[in-house]
Amino acid sequence: SQQGEEDPQALSIQEGENATMNCSYKTSINNLQWYRQNSGRGLVHLILIRSNEREKHSGRLRVTLDTSKKSSSLLITASRAADTASYFCATEDSSYKLIFGSGTRLLVRP
Amino acid sequence: GAVVSQHPSRVICKSGTSVKIECRSLDFQATTMFWYRQFPKQSLMLMATSNEGSKATYEQGVEKDKFLINHASLTLSTLTVTSAHPEDSSFYICSASGFPNYGYTFGSGTRLTVV
Repeated sequence: SQQGEEDPQALSIQEGENATMNCSYKTSINNLQWYRQNSGRGLVHLILIRSNEREKHSGRLRVTLDTSKKSSSLLITASRAADTASYFCATEDSSYKLIFGSGTRLLVRP
Repeated sequence: GAVVSQHPSRVICKSGTSVKIECRSLDFQATTMFWYRQFPKQSLMLMATSNEGSKATYEQGVEKDKFLINHASLTLSTLTVTSAHPEDSSFYICSASGFPNYGYTFGSGTRLTVV
């Protein structure tokens, strides 16, 4: 099962610009997590935001969570070519399953 | 930090044969293991959840007789794709949760190609 949708599906930006990805989900959650995946590789955990938190920062990453709208956003500031990857949100529900969104493919042009 | 070792990383098998994928937690006890499948340019779809010593719980639409999951110990879980067909070709990835690490630790994935 897939929890929700991400948009945009694909994003192409110039190095140095900011990248914003949005995630919507359907059910109540314990927390929401963002992951990164380079092509054909495993997942890298980026950041976790709990359901009672509204915003969280980690380095160049900023995550927001709006539980009333069941949505989250991931902002990557001052993007680098090395940020090129697919980004997925994932929600942990009450049964502690981690369900992934549809993903955003980010291309950062040097 | 917590590490999950997944093997093999790539496997090619003939149609009709079975393939076993292993995930081992190296420095923590994995009480719960999640198995995902990912088709090219798509998201990860949860296939099943297994708790150590119990039968796996499969998501809707996933054939339990085709995808056999064993989680007999706190450090090892296996996924066996039985009688594999070309449509089973995919990227399979495990994720473990347990103690003292209560987060989710992902394996590096297995790319299965059935010819």
